[in-house]
Amino acid sequence: QVQVVESGGGVVQPGRSLRLSCAASGFSFSDYGMHWVRQAPGKGLEWVALIFFDGSIKYYGDSVKGRFTISRDNSKNTVYLQMSSLRADDTAVYYCAREEYGVASLSLDYWGQGTLVNVSS
Amino acid sequence: QSVLTQPPSASGAPGQRVTISCSGSSSNIGTNTVNWYQQLPGTAPKLLIYSNNQRPSGVPDRFSGSKSGTSASLAISGLQSEDEADYYCAAWDDSLNGVFGGGTKLTVL
Repeated sequence: QVQVVESGGGVVQPGRSLRLSCAASGFSFSDYGMHWVRQAPGKGLEWVALIFFDGSIKYYGDSVKGRFTISRDNSKNTVYLQMSSLRADDTAVYYCAREEYGVASLSLDYWGQGTLVNVSS
Repeated sequence: QSVLTQPPSASGAPGQRVTISCSGSSSNIGTNTVNWYQQLPGTAPKLLIYSNNQRPSGVPDRFSGSKSGTSASLAISGLQSEDEADYYCAAWDDSLNGVFGGGTKLTVL
């Protein structure tokens, strides 16, 4: 069965860096675009980043552009989110999700359980 | 402030039909397809509707979506207690960003 599992969250000081991982299984990972979406405590969903199936194209939300980098290793069925210059307003649950119906369509059919990033001094 | 505008709340009695609106612009809903997500408390979002009006396998036909111009809507008929959740619309924007609505909290009376 399809599974997406995030890891790497935790407490980090403002200005520091953190790398999230998302391990996928149960499908042909290299055929799918993958997204990161975050949700601050008590708030709505915010799109963070997209990486195409082969890693050739990457897009970022305005609030993370220049600070976050999405990447993938298709040999390990894993997508990453490298986060730098972290700020308090980056505190959120970060979800990894597979894009199924179209390219850059935001139709995300499988989501992980999320990993909490808490930026605090 | 979300790019897509949804009402913060909606409600209905069991068995009733409710609709949730989502308003965007020519750069997102006007030119790209709309998706809808359901998020139960403490869980990850679940895809309910994709490509404006398509249901993934396993989603009951009580849920339906539509789009007209720069607006979209989600309709839930035969409302059930387990439908109580947060609902989000989402679409790609031509500025090369994904955009979500602010979410609508549905209460089943």
